[in-house]
Amino acid sequence: DGGITQSPKYLFRKEGQNVTLSCEQNLNHDAMYWYRQDPGQGLRLIYYSQIVNDFQKGDIAEGYSVSREKKESFPLTVTSAQKNPTAFYLCASSPGRGETQYFGPGTRLLVL
Amino acid sequence: AQTVTQSQPEMSVQEAETVTLSCTYDTSESDYYLFWYKQPPSRQMILVIRQEAYKQQNATENRFSVNFQKAAKSFSLKISDSQLGDAAMYFCAYRGINSGTYKYIFGTGTRLKVLA
Repeated sequence: DGGITQSPKYLFRKEGQNVTLSCEQNLNHDAMYWYRQDPGQGLRLIYYSQIVNDFQKGDIAEGYSVSREKKESFPLTVTSAQKNPTAFYLCASSPGRGETQYFGPGTRLLVL
Repeated sequence: AQTVTQSQPEMSVQEAETVTLSCTYDTSESDYYLFWYKQPPSRQMILVIRQEAYKQQNATENRFSVNFQKAAKSFSLKISDSQLGDAAMYFCAYRGINSGTYKYIFGTGTRLKVLA
C-alpha cells in the first residue's frame, strides 16, 4: 500500500540531546514537508523540500535541521538548540504543483 | 503573502443537523487550490474536500460540500446530516500554483463538536 510512514510514534528527548524523526513515503511524490503542531493549535511549517538535495526553511526552522538525500526520505533532526521541542510533528508529501498534500500519522516528541 | 483565516475556534452541531465552517483567505494569485482537512482525535490529517479556483462549480464529497466565492475569497465547508464521527478539528488550507513554491498555508482550525 502507498503511504507515508513516520517513526517512532513517541519519542523522548533528554536535555541537550539531538533526536531524529523519520519520514518515508512510497508515493513517488516530489515534495515533502515537516510541520509542528502544539496542543489546540494549527500547523506551523518547519521545513519543506521540493526536490531531492534541496530544501527551504519554513516559518519556524530555528533549532531544526533536515536532509533530502533520497526522494522517499525526509528526516527531521530536533537539535539541542530547540528549547521547547515538546509537540506533535507531522510529515507530509505532495506530487507537485497544486496537488493534494498527504500526511503521515505523526510523531509525539516529549522532553524528559 | 497569502493568509488563511478561520474565525470560528469552535462550533457545535446536533447529530443529523447541518453545520457550516467558515474560511477566508487573502491572495493576489489567480490560480490556486483550496482544501479542507479533518483531524480527528487520532491526529491523522485526512483530506475532506478540494477545490480548484478555476472551477466555478462547488466541490462536493458525499455529505461534505463547499461554498466557494472567489471574488469574496471565501471557502466555507458545509457538513450535512452530521454524525458523531464528524467531531474533529477542521483546517482550511491554500496552495498557490503560480508562485513557484510548494508551500501550503493553513488556517488555525475550527473544533467541531457533534452533540448526540
